Amino acid sequence: DGGITQSPKYLFRKEGQNVTLSCEQNLNHDAMYWYRQDPGQGLRLIYYSQIVNDFQKGDIAEGYSVSREKKESFPLTVTSAQKNPTAFYLCASSRRPGSGIYNEQFFGPGTRLTVL
Amino acid sequence: AQRVTQPEKLLSVFKGAPVELKCNYSYSGSPELFWYVQYSRQRLQLLLRHISRESIKGFTADLNKGETSFHLKKPFAQEEDSAMYYCALHNNAGNMLTFGGGTRLMVKP
Repeated sequence: DGGITQSPKYLFRKEGQNVTLSCEQNLNHDAMYWYRQDPGQGLRLIYYSQIVNDFQKGDIAEGYSVSREKKESFPLTVTSAQKNPTAFYLCASSRRPGSGIYNEQFFGPGTRLTVL
Repeated sequence: AQRVTQPEKLLSVFKGAPVELKCNYSYSGSPELFWYVQYSRQRLQLLLRHISRESIKGFTADLNKGETSFHLKKPFAQEEDSAMYYCALHNNAGNMLTFGGGTRLMVKP
């Protein structure tokens, strides 16, 4: 079950620590995305990247940081500044966005982060 | 601002009963809408998109611009339809999606 992978599946962090979630894809997709999934709130966009070495803030970027040094990888760091980090995090990728045309986003299996 | 609303967090029906998962949206432009589904222990995946006008696994959804709705319907629910369903709106300015809060569908035997 390749395509887009996330690791680890479960992650525990002590309050005040930064933690990095991994997202890798072998679909040759240009665009990658990070979402946070909370019960009753659906998915909310944290960061997205449409091309290597470029990324943009989503709706809830505060307390998070990303990098996009390689096409295949889009790691997300949850910093100690994130006030409520316990959540399920989903990574997605898609072909390069066309002019107004939606290119399907493919999702990874997710990482459940728990802050102790 | 664009918004997607799914008023029901949980919908429980018996097998063979019709099912309708509600989705309403607000968007100033021409909307492009989707339904995503997440089965237990599986990844979130695209179920259908309004532009395709297709029926997937017996589900259909019609875009009603007058009522700003995109409800998902199936005439006879099956137990394997039990899952989390998300309605999503495409942001034409990029490839971003705005998701609703999700509806958990439970189909009882």
